[in-house]
Amino acid sequence: EDQVTQSPEALRLQEGESSSLNCSYTVSGLRGLFWYRQDPGKGPEFLFTLYSAGEEKEKERLKATLTKKESFLHITAPKPEDSATYLCAVEVTGGSYIPTFGRGTSLIVHP
Amino acid sequence: GAVVSQHPSRVICKSGTSVKIECRSLDFQATTMFWYRQFPKQSLMLMATSNEGSKATYEQGVEKDKFLINHASLTLSTLTVTSAHPEDSSFYICSALQGADGYTFGSGTRLTVV
Repeated sequence: EDQVTQSPEALRLQEGESSSLNCSYTVSGLRGLFWYRQDPGKGPEFLFTLYSAGEEKEKERLKATLTKKESFLHITAPKPEDSATYLCAVEVTGGSYIPTFGRGTSLIVHP
Repeated sequence: GAVVSQHPSRVICKSGTSVKIECRSLDFQATTMFWYRQFPKQSLMLMATSNEGSKATYEQGVEKDKFLINHASLTLSTLTVTSAHPEDSSFYICSALQGADGYTFGSGTRLTVV
């Protein structure tokens, strides 16, 4: 059974304190791994798609990396506006285009 | 970028009544849309896959007669919660697959059944 596990469940940072969120996955074959940001009471907002081990993508203070077993979302010098829940999802090969989501990491950045 | 518009954003209804939630793809055609339910501090739980012009595919444990899905056009899918009860109160989100950049989500609907 395909599984996606995100850690930590919650993370509190001071403004400027860099850290990383983890998404580990167990799938039969990875087609793609997605990162989303979700603000309270809103739908998820697309951040990145990663397709192969070694791939990296960046957007402002965020950088996503991928290995054969996990993905990291690195947050450099976070600001309070980066506070949100970050969701990871995987799409497997040979299946329908339906991603499996992790439970997310709730990030709070204090000023 | 691609936009999926979901309405209403919030709805309060009385127990026993039905509520319709709309999901529209504004600048692209979506032959397939997905409906999710999300509980507080939980992940998105896929309820059903909505296919334009055909019946929806429901996930195991989701009642087809309670959660009616209609995908009558390439830009519109609707979810109707029939005979709603307090336990149906939740956050419902739709999404559509849009190109290589994955899925675009609606803004969600907070349903409260009183």
